[in-house]
Amino acid sequence: NAGVTQTPKFQVLKTGQSMTLQCAQDMNHEYMSWYRQDPGMGLRLIHYSVGAGITDQGEVPNGYNVSRSTTEDFPLRLLSAAPSQTSVYFCASKKGDSHGELFFGEGSRLTVL
Amino acid sequence: EDQVTQSPEALRLQEGESSSLNCSYTVSGLRGLFWYRQDPGKGPEFLFTLYSAGEEKEKERLKATLTKKESFLHITAPKPEDSATYLCAVQSGANSKLTFGKGITLSVRP
Repeated sequence: NAGVTQTPKFQVLKTGQSMTLQCAQDMNHEYMSWYRQDPGMGLRLIHYSVGAGITDQGEVPNGYNVSRSTTEDFPLRLLSAAPSQTSVYFCASKKGDSHGELFFGEGSRLTVL
Repeated sequence: EDQVTQSPEALRLQEGESSSLNCSYTVSGLRGLFWYRQDPGKGPEFLFTLYSAGEEKEKERLKATLTKKESFLHITAPKPEDSATYLCAVQSGANSKLTFGKGITLSVRP
């Protein structure tokens, strides 16, 4: 099993450009989520999904869009990148609404100039 | 709103010097408290889940404990390979989402 796979690992954007961070999991997990991690701020939840076709906002959703058309994939879209979105992004998944552990990807480091 | 506070922010230990990391939390109906380890440039890796006050979990040199207001991660006779950032998170009420603390960076000197 590959677990949670994120692409790309590194990306540099100019202000105003758009891009999509990809996340795929092969564990048949219902729950998927996106976090950003900034120095001194910890992990903050951007968006999450409890199943295909269902998404909801987390703590810091502004500037980001998500969709969940399949169980396996949960892409994060930046429509018009801003320097404040420079961060390390982590995708994570777990089984449904259980107490189960959250499995994380390796992260995507994004720099917006 | 769930809140998680971890202390200290950073901890430097000598190899073999035991210590504890603290995680204080405020939630409405705790469903689970989680400890993760994160190495530089990597995603967090699951360590423990604690569900109720009085519960303890152990793994090698690590032991996690839980009270109604806080959790401790005790590190006994640490080794340099225990150096990492340790994250605490809570899940509450009917939510599936986890709320994380800012983490504690542990450095163990040989």
